[in-house]
Amino acid sequence: AQSVAQPEDQVNVAEGNPLTVKCTYSVSGNPYLFWYVQYPNRGLQFLLKYITGDNLVKGSYGFEAEFNKSQTSFHLKKPSALVSDSALYFCAVRDTNAGKSTFGDGTTLTVKP
Amino acid sequence: SQTIHQWPATLVQPVGSPLSLECTVEGTSNPNLYWYRQAAGRGLQLLFYSVGIGQISSEVPQNLSASRPQDRQFILSSKKLLLSDSGFYLCAWSVISTYEQYFGPGTRLTVT
Repeated sequence: AQSVAQPEDQVNVAEGNPLTVKCTYSVSGNPYLFWYVQYPNRGLQFLLKYITGDNLVKGSYGFEAEFNKSQTSFHLKKPSALVSDSALYFCAVRDTNAGKSTFGDGTTLTVKP
Repeated sequence: SQTIHQWPATLVQPVGSPLSLECTVEGTSNPNLYWYRQAAGRGLQLLFYSVGIGQISSEVPQNLSASRPQDRQFILSSKKLLLSDSGFYLCAWSVISTYEQYFGPGTRLTVT
């Protein structure tokens, strides 16, 4: 079985400050990990993924995420937040033997000017 | 480049009426296809996924069904809608080599 948890429903940061959106996962095999962003009344957009290789992965719009196997975490980060980063963020995990991904419940990021 | 289309964008239907939502993908072959429902702007519930024509896996027992009549076409249907079917329906595709999913713009369904 596979599962993912996003422990924070809401994250608030000031523009220009660093941001972190947390994600932890559970899989029986090796994980494939993903981050997606959703703007109001829109479909989800793929941001970045970890499949194998370097633990720090870089994605769209200046976002990055660090895979930590010992802590089973895949936190999303950005060094300097923009107001336009305000959106709903989803973490997802897929076991290497699974045919589908499991999504977290989402974290609403609000960046204030 | 690949694109995914969903229609209609919004739909208001009375309880007990039928439903048909369509999703098509362009620019790729033999994609995995998915239907999700999102309630109240929060988590995604996987309803169905398909790895090929005529191959449908159902994740949640309900009065919805899905079909894949062509490689890049995925249809979500219901014979009789319930109030609880209201929500934001998202179609997505992925390929085995990359695994990430690409989502359509969604259909907002309101059952009255």
